[in-house]
Amino acid sequence: SQKIEQNSEALNIQEGKTATLTCNYTNYSPAYLQWYRQDPGRGPVFLLLIRENEKEKRKERLKVTFDTTLKQSLFHITASQPADSATYLCALDMGTGRRALTFGSGTRLQVQP
Amino acid sequence: ETGVTQSPTHLIKTRGQQVTLRCSSQSGHNTVSWYQQALGQGPQFIFQYYREEENGRGNFPPRFSGLQFPNYSSELNVNALELDDSALYLCASSSGGGLAEETQYFGPGTRLLVL
Repeated sequence: SQKIEQNSEALNIQEGKTATLTCNYTNYSPAYLQWYRQDPGRGPVFLLLIRENEKEKRKERLKVTFDTTLKQSLFHITASQPADSATYLCALDMGTGRRALTFGSGTRLQVQP
Repeated sequence: ETGVTQSPTHLIKTRGQQVTLRCSSQSGHNTVSWYQQALGQGPQFIFQYYREEENGRGNFPPRFSGLQFPNYSSELNVNALELDDSALYLCASSSGGGLAEETQYFGPGTRLLVL
Protein backbone atom coordinates (compact mmCIF):
# COMPACT_ATOMS: atom_id res chain seq x y z
CA SER A 1 0.00 0.00 0.00
CA GLN A 2 1.03 3.64 -0.39
CA LYS A 3 3.14 4.96 2.44
CA ILE A 4 4.84 8.22 3.44
CA GLU A 5 7.62 8.10 5.99
CA GLN A 6 9.08 10.98 7.94
CA ASN A 7 11.51 10.59 10.77
CA SER A 8 9.36 10.35 13.89
CA GLU A 9 12.28 11.17 16.13
CA ALA A 10 12.66 14.87 16.93
CA LEU A 11 15.55 16.66 15.28
CA ASN A 12 17.56 18.85 17.64
CA ILE A 13 20.07 21.31 16.17
CA GLN A 14 21.96 24.41 17.23
CA GLU A 15 20.94 27.87 16.07
CA GLY A 16 22.70 28.86 12.86
CA LYS A 17 23.09 25.31 11.57
CA THR A 18 21.23 23.78 8.62
CA ALA A 19 18.32 21.49 9.45
CA THR A 20 17.60 18.69 6.98
CA LEU A 21 14.33 16.76 7.15
CA THR A 22 13.52 13.69 5.06
CA CYS A 23 10.32 12.48 3.44
CA ASN A 24 10.29 9.05 1.79
CA TYR A 25 7.36 7.51 -0.04
CA THR A 26 6.59 4.11 -1.55
CA ASN A 27 4.24 2.59 -4.08
CA TYR A 28 3.24 5.78 -5.81
CA SER A 29 4.54 8.43 -8.19
CA PRO A 30 3.13 11.78 -7.04
CA ALA A 31 2.99 14.71 -9.42
CA TYR A 32 3.42 17.19 -6.56
CA LEU A 33 4.91 17.29 -3.11
CA GLN A 34 4.23 19.98 -0.54
CA TRP A 35 5.81 20.91 2.78
CA TYR A 36 3.86 22.42 5.66
CA ARG A 37 4.79 23.76 9.08
CA GLN A 38 2.58 23.05 12.08
CA ASP A 39 2.87 24.69 15.49
CA PRO A 40 1.27 23.05 18.55
CA GLY A 41 -2.51 23.50 18.60
CA ARG A 42 -2.55 25.22 15.19
CA GLY A 43 -3.38 24.18 11.65
CA PRO A 44 -0.61 23.43 9.14
CA VAL A 45 0.81 26.37 7.17
CA PHE A 46 1.93 25.92 3.56
CA LEU A 47 5.64 26.46 2.90
CA LEU A 48 6.65 25.10 -0.51
CA LEU A 49 5.37 23.01 -3.40
CA ILE A 50 7.66 21.12 -5.79
CA ARG A 51 6.59 19.37 -8.97
CA GLU A 52 7.86 16.00 -10.22
CA ASN A 53 9.81 17.65 -13.04
CA GLU A 54 11.58 20.04 -10.64
CA LYS A 55 14.72 18.92 -8.83
CA GLU A 56 14.94 21.80 -6.39
CA LYS A 57 12.92 24.76 -5.12
CA ARG A 58 14.04 27.61 -2.88
CA LYS A 59 12.27 30.24 -0.83
CA GLU A 60 14.35 32.50 1.39
CA ARG A 61 16.11 30.15 3.88
CA LEU A 62 14.14 27.11 2.74
CA LYS A 63 15.15 24.60 0.08
CA VAL A 64 13.30 21.49 -1.06
CA THR A 65 14.61 18.74 -3.32
CA PHE A 66 12.56 16.04 -5.01
CA ASP A 67 14.19 12.82 -6.25
CA THR A 68 11.59 10.71 -8.01
CA THR A 69 14.09 7.88 -8.54
CA LEU A 70 14.86 7.58 -4.84
CA LYS A 71 11.23 8.49 -4.00
CA GLN A 72 12.49 11.04 -1.55
CA SER A 73 12.22 14.73 -0.74
CA LEU A 74 14.65 16.63 1.46
CA PHE A 75 13.66 19.86 3.23
CA HIS A 76 16.46 22.17 4.34
CA ILE A 77 16.34 25.21 6.60
CA THR A 78 19.59 27.15 6.49
CA ALA A 79 20.78 29.47 9.28
CA SER A 80 18.14 27.97 11.54
CA GLN A 81 16.59 30.04 14.32
CA PRO A 82 14.71 29.06 17.50
CA ALA A 83 11.56 30.44 15.80
CA ASP A 84 11.89 27.62 13.22
CA SER A 85 11.05 25.10 15.97
CA ALA A 86 7.86 23.33 14.88
CA THR A 87 6.63 20.11 13.29
CA TYR A 88 7.20 19.88 9.54
CA LEU A 89 4.85 17.79 7.43
CA CYS A 90 5.32 16.57 3.89
CA ALA A 91 2.24 15.91 1.78
CA LEU A 92 1.69 14.27 -1.59
CA ASP A 93 -1.22 13.82 -3.93
CA MET A 94 -1.91 10.12 -3.59
CA GLY A 95 -5.01 9.40 -5.61
CA THR A 96 -8.65 10.02 -4.72
CA GLY A 97 -8.78 11.73 -8.07
CA ARG A 98 -5.72 13.80 -7.16
CA ARG A 99 -8.02 16.03 -5.16
CA ALA A 100 -6.56 15.44 -1.75
CA LEU A 101 -3.27 15.46 0.05
CA THR A 102 -1.85 12.55 1.99
CA PHE A 103 0.38 13.69 4.82
CA GLY A 104 3.29 12.10 6.56
CA SER A 105 3.26 12.05 10.35
CA GLY A 106 5.73 14.93 10.53
CA THR A 107 9.13 15.55 12.06
CA ARG A 108 9.49 17.81 15.07
CA LEU A 109 12.39 20.25 14.78
CA GLN A 110 13.85 21.87 17.88
CA VAL A 111 16.41 24.65 17.33
CA GLN A 112 18.46 25.38 20.43
CA PRO A 113 19.72 28.96 21.00
CA GLU B 1 -3.47 33.90 9.86
CA THR B 2 -5.12 32.24 6.86
CA GLY B 3 -8.62 33.71 7.10
CA VAL B 4 -10.12 30.24 7.60
CA THR B 5 -12.14 30.02 10.81
CA GLN B 6 -13.52 27.00 12.61
CA SER B 7 -15.96 26.58 15.45
CA PRO B 8 -16.06 25.48 18.14
CA THR B 9 -12.40 25.41 19.18
CA HIS B 10 -12.92 22.56 21.65
CA LEU B 11 -15.69 20.07 22.20
CA ILE B 12 -16.34 17.17 24.57
CA LYS B 13 -18.91 14.52 23.64
CA THR B 14 -19.79 11.04 24.82
CA ARG B 15 -19.75 7.87 22.79
CA GLY B 16 -22.81 7.47 20.57
CA GLN B 17 -23.58 11.18 20.35
CA GLN B 18 -23.54 13.28 17.19
CA VAL B 19 -21.43 16.36 16.51
CA THR B 20 -21.40 19.19 13.97
CA LEU B 21 -18.25 21.17 13.26
CA ARG B 22 -18.23 24.38 11.21
CA CYS B 23 -15.77 26.05 8.88
CA SER B 24 -15.71 29.39 7.08
CA SER B 25 -13.42 29.37 4.10
CA GLN B 26 -11.04 32.12 3.06
CA SER B 27 -12.63 34.85 0.98
CA GLY B 28 -12.72 33.88 -2.71
CA HIS B 29 -12.17 30.16 -2.07
CA ASN B 30 -14.78 27.74 -3.40
CA THR B 31 -13.34 24.45 -2.14
CA VAL B 32 -13.24 23.09 1.40
CA SER B 33 -11.45 19.93 2.52
CA TRP B 34 -11.77 18.29 5.92
CA TYR B 35 -9.00 16.38 7.65
CA GLN B 36 -8.75 14.40 10.88
CA GLN B 37 -5.49 14.60 12.80
CA ALA B 38 -4.91 12.16 15.65
CA LEU B 39 -2.27 12.99 18.24
CA GLY B 40 1.23 12.54 16.84
CA GLN B 41 -0.02 11.82 13.32
CA GLY B 42 -0.38 13.79 10.12
CA PRO B 43 -3.78 15.00 8.92
CA GLN B 44 -5.92 12.35 7.18
CA PHE B 45 -8.23 13.38 4.36
CA ILE B 46 -11.93 12.90 5.12
CA PHE B 47 -13.64 14.56 2.14
CA GLN B 48 -13.75 17.65 -0.01
CA TYR B 49 -16.56 19.93 -1.18
CA TYR B 50 -16.46 22.03 -4.33
CA ARG B 51 -19.37 24.32 -5.17
CA GLU B 52 -21.67 22.50 -2.73
CA GLU B 53 -20.95 18.99 -4.10
CA GLU B 54 -18.77 16.28 -2.55
CA ASN B 55 -15.68 16.17 -4.71
CA GLY B 56 -13.64 13.32 -3.27
CA ARG B 57 -13.65 11.18 -0.16
CA GLY B 58 -11.00 9.43 1.89
CA ASN B 59 -11.28 6.17 3.78
CA PHE B 60 -13.88 7.23 6.34
CA PRO B 61 -17.23 5.53 7.09
CA PRO B 62 -20.59 7.04 6.04
CA ARG B 63 -21.23 8.33 9.57
CA PHE B 64 -18.86 11.12 8.56
CA SER B 65 -20.87 13.45 6.36
CA GLY B 66 -20.70 17.04 5.28
CA LEU B 67 -22.30 20.00 3.62
CA GLN B 68 -21.15 23.06 1.79
CA PHE B 69 -23.32 26.15 1.65
CA PRO B 70 -23.72 28.73 -1.15
CA ASN B 71 -21.27 31.06 0.63
CA TYR B 72 -18.76 28.13 0.56
CA SER B 73 -18.75 27.65 4.32
CA SER B 74 -18.97 24.02 5.35
CA GLU B 75 -20.07 21.62 8.07
CA LEU B 76 -18.69 18.25 9.11
CA ASN B 77 -21.14 15.94 10.85
CA VAL B 78 -20.13 12.82 12.70
CA ASN B 79 -22.82 10.40 13.92
CA ALA B 80 -22.54 7.63 16.49
CA LEU B 81 -19.29 8.97 17.92
CA GLU B 82 -16.61 6.46 18.87
CA LEU B 83 -13.66 6.91 21.21
CA ASP B 84 -11.28 6.80 18.22
CA ASP B 85 -12.97 9.87 16.77
CA SER B 86 -11.10 11.96 19.36
CA ALA B 87 -8.80 14.14 17.27
CA LEU B 88 -8.12 17.59 15.87
CA TYR B 89 -10.46 18.26 12.94
CA LEU B 90 -9.00 20.61 10.38
CA CYS B 91 -10.68 22.36 7.55
CA ALA B 92 -8.71 23.73 4.61
CA SER B 93 -9.88 25.99 1.83
CA SER B 94 -8.50 26.43 -1.64
CA SER B 95 -9.55 27.89 -4.97
CA GLY B 96 -9.96 26.35 -8.37
CA GLY B 97 -11.60 23.02 -7.80
CA GLY B 98 -9.43 21.46 -5.15
CA LEU B 99 -6.64 19.85 -7.12
CA ALA B 100 -3.91 18.52 -4.87
CA GLU B 101 -1.40 20.93 -6.41
CA GLU B 102 -3.25 23.87 -4.93
CA THR B 103 -2.11 25.47 -1.73
CA GLN B 104 -4.38 24.47 1.12
CA TYR B 105 -5.13 27.17 3.71
CA PHE B 106 -5.89 25.52 7.01
CA GLY B 107 -8.00 26.76 9.88
CA PRO B 108 -6.91 26.39 13.52
CA GLY B 109 -8.94 23.21 13.97
CA THR B 110 -11.56 21.90 16.39
CA ARG B 111 -10.28 19.64 19.15
CA LEU B 112 -12.88 16.88 19.76
CA LEU B 113 -12.71 14.61 22.77
CA VAL B 114 -15.04 11.61 22.93
CA LEU B 115 -15.51 10.06 26.36
